[in-house]
Amino acid sequence: ELKVEQNPLFLSMQEGKNYTIYCNYSTTSDRLYWYRQDPGKSLESLFVLLSNGAVKQEGRLMASLDTKARLSTLHITAAVHDLSATYFCAVDIEATNKLIFGTGTLLAVQP
Amino acid sequence: EAGVAQSPRYKIIEKRQSVAFWCNPISGHATLYWYQQILGQGPKLLIQFQNNGVVDDSQLPKDRFSAERLKGVDSTLKIQPAKLEDSAVYLCASSLVPTGEETQYFGPGTRLLVL
Repeated sequence: ELKVEQNPLFLSMQEGKNYTIYCNYSTTSDRLYWYRQDPGKSLESLFVLLSNGAVKQEGRLMASLDTKARLSTLHITAAVHDLSATYFCAVDIEATNKLIFGTGTLLAVQP
Repeated sequence: EAGVAQSPRYKIIEKRQSVAFWCNPISGHATLYWYQQILGQGPKLLIQFQNNGVVDDSQLPKDRFSAERLKGVDSTLKIQPAKLEDSAVYLCASSLVPTGEETQYFGPGTRLLVL
């Protein structure tokens, strides 16, 4: 059974600092997605990573994918309060668009 | 472009009652998904449709859950009878193509509380 694990589960960080969220998965996959969820809201797509070595950046967020290590990272640069949310990674099984979501990382950026 | 629409947004029922949720995907999106998100967890796929056919329903508790997408557009998800553990947010998502090259777009969800 495919398992998708994120760490940390909870991250409290100060504004202006950098940090990385890790997403490990237990089977081969070339497709990984990052989503953001604000409290009481639905999921917003952040990144779609479709190949080994893929790197995408949007604002203060950068995501990368290493399919050989079965690892994706979401790097936060110079955090601001507006980035406070829960971040999920999701892995596509066998290119079927059937997503298995990680446990989520709750990010709290303190002023 | 209009997003994925869902209704109702909230529902409170007693156990053993039935409930139905409605979803209208983004126009032109052939693939539609229903997810269950229990508090503090990531979404779990319940069922995936391609047009009006079921692609995957392996995680759907078929003794109490059913879903349909009769005309390949709107979809309904029903629970009958509901149990306490069905309390969750039910998310509908859609995508243009089924092969994963693009993301899934999620609706606002229906929050279900079973008492």
